[in-house]
Amino acid sequence: EVQLLESGGGLVQSGGSLRLSCAASGFTFGSYAMSWVRQAPGKGLEWVLGIYGNGGGTYYTDSVKGRFSISRDNSKNTMYLQMNSLRAEDTAVYYCAKGGGLTTYYFDYWGQGTLVTVSS
Amino acid sequence: EIVLTQSPATLSLSPGERATLSCRASQSVSDYLVWYQQKPGQAPRLLIYDVSNRATGIPARFSGSGSGTDFTLTISSLEPEDFAVYYCQQRTNNWPLTFGGGTKVEIK
Repeated sequence: EVQLLESGGGLVQSGGSLRLSCAASGFTFGSYAMSWVRQAPGKGLEWVLGIYGNGGGTYYTDSVKGRFSISRDNSKNTMYLQMNSLRAEDTAVYYCAKGGGLTTYYFDYWGQGTLVTVSS
Repeated sequence: EIVLTQSPATLSLSPGERATLSCRASQSVSDYLVWYQQKPGQAPRLLIYDVSNRATGIPARFSGSGSGTDFTLTISSLEPEDFAVYYCQQRTNNWPLTFGGGTKVEIK
């Protein structure tokens, strides 16, 4: 059974940093692209960053450029999101999502989400 | 950035009725259009990928169609568990990946 478990969310002050983790199980982690998708309270879905299964390609949305970074450790079946210079508008539930293939970005499994609250 | 516009924002229907949801892209996304369902307090669930391929375990009452810039998700006969918010997403290599704003299907 595929499972994705996010951790690391919480309350942080504006300008602060936070590191999220996504622990994966039930599939060959290194064979699949992964992404972080966020959802602000009462709003829609926003894709934030993605990384290929072999870690060879990383992509991001412009609003997090230079502030957020994505990485993965395939030996630990874990993906990370390093968030720096956090802003109030980064407040959201952050979902870890599994891609459909090595470089394929439709998301067939999602974690339960972790809430990040940035106070101003 | 490819903008996806979903319509209507809200669809009020009764169980047993047919639901037709639209997703329009600002430029061609070829066949790389995906649909998700999200219920309150839950993570999204993959319904359809690449326009018309149902994900594992998705009932046949869900179907997708379209190409290029205009896409449709059809629920042939609404079940009580289908009342939710539906999002489309494009997965071309035109980064960033983008989602539509969502269509809420509510009970009339």
